[in-house]
Amino acid sequence: EVQLLESGGGLVQPGGSLRLSCAASGFTFRSYGMSWVRQAPGKGLEWVSAISGSGGSTYYADSVKGRFAISRDNSKNTLYLQMNSLRAEDTAVYYCAKEETPYSSSWPHGLNWLDPWGQGTLVTVSS
Amino acid sequence: DIQMTQSPSSLSASVGDRVTITCRASQSISSFLNWYQQKPGKTPKLLIYAASSLQSGVPSRFSGTGSGTDFTLTISSLQPEDFATYYCQQSYSIPRTFGQGTKVEIK
Repeated sequence: EVQLLESGGGLVQPGGSLRLSCAASGFTFRSYGMSWVRQAPGKGLEWVSAISGSGGSTYYADSVKGRFAISRDNSKNTLYLQMNSLRAEDTAVYYCAKEETPYSSSWPHGLNWLDPWGQGTLVTVSS
Repeated sequence: DIQMTQSPSSLSASVGDRVTITCRASQSISSFLNWYQQKPGKTPKLLIYAASSLQSGVPSRFSGTGSGTDFTLTISSLQPEDFATYYCQQSYSIPRTFGQGTKVEIK
């Protein structure tokens, strides 16, 4: 069974930093791209970042570009999101999700979907 | 960026009703459209991928159609466990974008 378990959330002051982790199990981690998606309280879903299976390609939403960094350690089956210069508007539940695609050569474009998702970790940016 | 617009934003329906949710993309995305269900306090769950393919384990009362810019998610006979918020998401290009969500409530 595929499992994704996020950790590292918490309360941080504006301008501060936080690193989220997502521990994966039940699949060959290095063979799959991974994404982070966030959800502000009472709001909808917002894609944040994605990384290829090898870690060699990374992608970001404009809202976090230059402040957040996605990475992975395939030897530890773990995905990370380093969040710097945090703002109040970054307050959200952060989910990691496995990227499924039948055509890895075209990823991250085209036929792909997010499944499954982790249970999420809450990040609160407030003074 | 590709904008995804869902309608309606919310709806009230009764058990047994047929429910249709629409998602429109700001440009053609072929069939690269996914649907997710999220119940309150729970993690999103994949329902439909590639516009019309039912994810394994998802009841057959859920179906998806469409291509290009216009897509629909249909629940043929609404069940009590289907009351939730539904999101569409395009995978045509980066950044991935979601619709704003459609909340399905009990009438």
